[in-house]
Amino acid sequence: EAQVTQNPRYLITVTGKKLTVTCSQNMNHEYMSWYRQDPGLGLRQIYYSMNVEVTDKGDVPEGYKVSRKEKRNFPLILESPSPNQTSLYFCASSQGRYYTEAFFGQGTRLTVV
Amino acid sequence: DQQVKQNSPSLSVQEGRISILNCDYTNSMFDYFLWYKKYPAEGPTFLISISSIKDKNEDGRFTVFLNKSAKHLSLHIVPSQPGDSAVYFCAASLGNQFYFGTGTSLTVIP
Repeated sequence: EAQVTQNPRYLITVTGKKLTVTCSQNMNHEYMSWYRQDPGLGLRQIYYSMNVEVTDKGDVPEGYKVSRKEKRNFPLILESPSPNQTSLYFCASSQGRYYTEAFFGQGTRLTVV
Repeated sequence: DQQVKQNSPSLSVQEGRISILNCDYTNSMFDYFLWYKKYPAEGPTFLISISSIKDKNEDGRFTVFLNKSAKHLSLHIVPSQPGDSAVYFCAASLGNQFYFGTGTSLTVIP
């Protein structure tokens, strides 16, 4: 089954404790990206990757890091989480930028206290 | 500053009638527009898209209209079904980046 898998689904952490949210896709897609969803703000793109070792900032990259060492995986790293990073996070993948149908993961609910 | 706006947070429609969801954007350089549907506790799923060089795209019960002069996008669902009840997001692409609206919650009343 074609899917994008995020882990964990739920996470509560404390301010400053480094964390990683994993994202994996099984469709051999080139393009992957991370979004956060906040009330009244919709989905905002954090980072995206056009292919292995190629990543770039989206609309709200501050406080986040990503890496793309393998085509299937695109982890999101919060080096020093803060309460304003409490949000619902989605990972997405698509075949390419112009093949615009993106497949989304089920989301990760992160709470930073 | 929000470049893609959905000014109606919610919409209720009777089953069988037409649902019209609206979206406005500010950047005339957007080259592709998309609609996604989202159910609770799930990720968004792709619905339909339209290139900026077209003004209409149809897929079954779903039609997207693009009015570039007004910087306005709309999604028509005909006929509406109870299973269409979800949050709908419009999105626009610029280069390799995507910008989403805040979503409209559609309720289709049986």
